[in-house]
Amino acid sequence: ETGVTQTPRHLVMGMTNKKSLKCEQHLGHNAMYWYKQSAKKPLELMFVYSLEERVENNSVPSRFSPECPNSSHLFLHLHTLQPEDSALYLCASSQDPEGDEKLFFGSGTQLSVL
Amino acid sequence: SQQGEEDPQALSIQEGENATMNCSYKTSINNLQWYRQNSGRGLVHLILIRSNEREKHSGRLRVTLDTSKKSSSLLITASRAADTASYFCATFNQAGTALIFGKGTTLSVSS
Repeated sequence: ETGVTQTPRHLVMGMTNKKSLKCEQHLGHNAMYWYKQSAKKPLELMFVYSLEERVENNSVPSRFSPECPNSSHLFLHLHTLQPEDSALYLCASSQDPEGDEKLFFGSGTQLSVL
Repeated sequence: SQQGEEDPQALSIQEGENATMNCSYKTSINNLQWYRQNSGRGLVHLILIRSNEREKHSGRLRVTLDTSKKSSSLLITASRAADTASYFCATFNQAGTALIFGKGTTLSVSS
């Protein structure tokens, strides 16, 4: 148990659906992250939030919409996704987004887009 | 954009053998981190080495850093079947706002 919980663990959705991924951290950290992990590709940084403010948006398509209502919760809202968006979506947190900080990861949401 | 790149992409060894994975990176760093990922799960932090350190140990793990060659290595000694996983090196992006990961080395340890 890393202190970062992601739900759901698995999600299957059609291209016209709207769904949300949820991440919650119980570590008192100030920064939260979304990463995407596709087969045979490096982890791709999607978004970074520091103290609930978005500090990094790594050229992610608008069909992915993040939300950080407080420092413990992070959402990724999904809308009209494409099959190539199927991947493992990982949430992580750290004490601070800068400096010598290690990341704590959740177990991920395995997303399949049909 | 990718910062670290691990080598080899895949490694298969027998229990009890040592496993060495290498990482090369492109820009100057303050620290380099190694993570482990079991199949379909999240990543777990293993060890952090700072730019002014050359070697660091943690249990059966030994990490080296050569900033002149922009490379690091992770050595797992006396490997066990439970060490089977993917291993990633990571460094901060140029803005210093987030960790960027390499493609990883997939290690398979057979008993």
